[in-house]
Amino acid sequence: GAGVSQSPSNKVTEKGKDVELRCDPISGHTALYWYRQSLGQGLEFLIYFQGNSAPDKSGLPSDRFSAERTGGSVSTLTIQRTQQEDSAVYLCASSPEGGWGRPQHFGDGTRLSIL
Amino acid sequence: DQQVKQNSPSLSVQEGRISILNCDYTNSMFDYFLWYKKYPAEGPTFLISISSIKDKNEDGRFTVFLNKSAKHLSLHIVPSQPGDSAVYFCAALPGGKLIFGQGTELSVKP
Repeated sequence: GAGVSQSPSNKVTEKGKDVELRCDPISGHTALYWYRQSLGQGLEFLIYFQGNSAPDKSGLPSDRFSAERTGGSVSTLTIQRTQQEDSAVYLCASSPEGGWGRPQHFGDGTRLSIL
Repeated sequence: DQQVKQNSPSLSVQEGRISILNCDYTNSMFDYFLWYKKYPAEGPTFLISISSIKDKNEDGRFTVFLNKSAKHLSLHIVPSQPGDSAVYFCAALPGGKLIFGQGTELSVKP
């Protein structure tokens, strides 16, 4: 069975450019999450989608970051006017539903490098 | 303000011995905890979890202990195997989103 799929696996771009990162969750999973891991750091929560509810955006570091989830499935994380400190591995996860007792299944991430 | 802390960045253990990975948290309202394992260039993989109504959960070679009064949990791996070498993250799950510790890199030597 297919797991969480993220694309691209690697992205190198120049400072100031916009980037889009894609996540295909496990089929049937209603909850979708974005995290990032900067060099030498732990995983940092960014945003959480649960069904048709308003997303929890409390982890987004600035207004340059946004995310959408279309049709309750695929999600795109967009970073506008990228900065060097945005360089990190961006991880997407999904679960059957959000909250207690529902382990999240992670994709392998997109490694983003800002030159 | 780190709500979930793993104070040991690395741990080295001999094959066959016990590995003990520790994790502390600050918020007594946290009531569900998970351990994830991560290999390089891969996403974290769920390993084992525990809710606050228990103080121990066991799955094969992996056991998680929770001490609520001390706000401390630990993961025991016994016997340790070279394939267990990875970074281990503990996480709390308040409100659906995971709050991770910084990770502990475990190295199991043959």
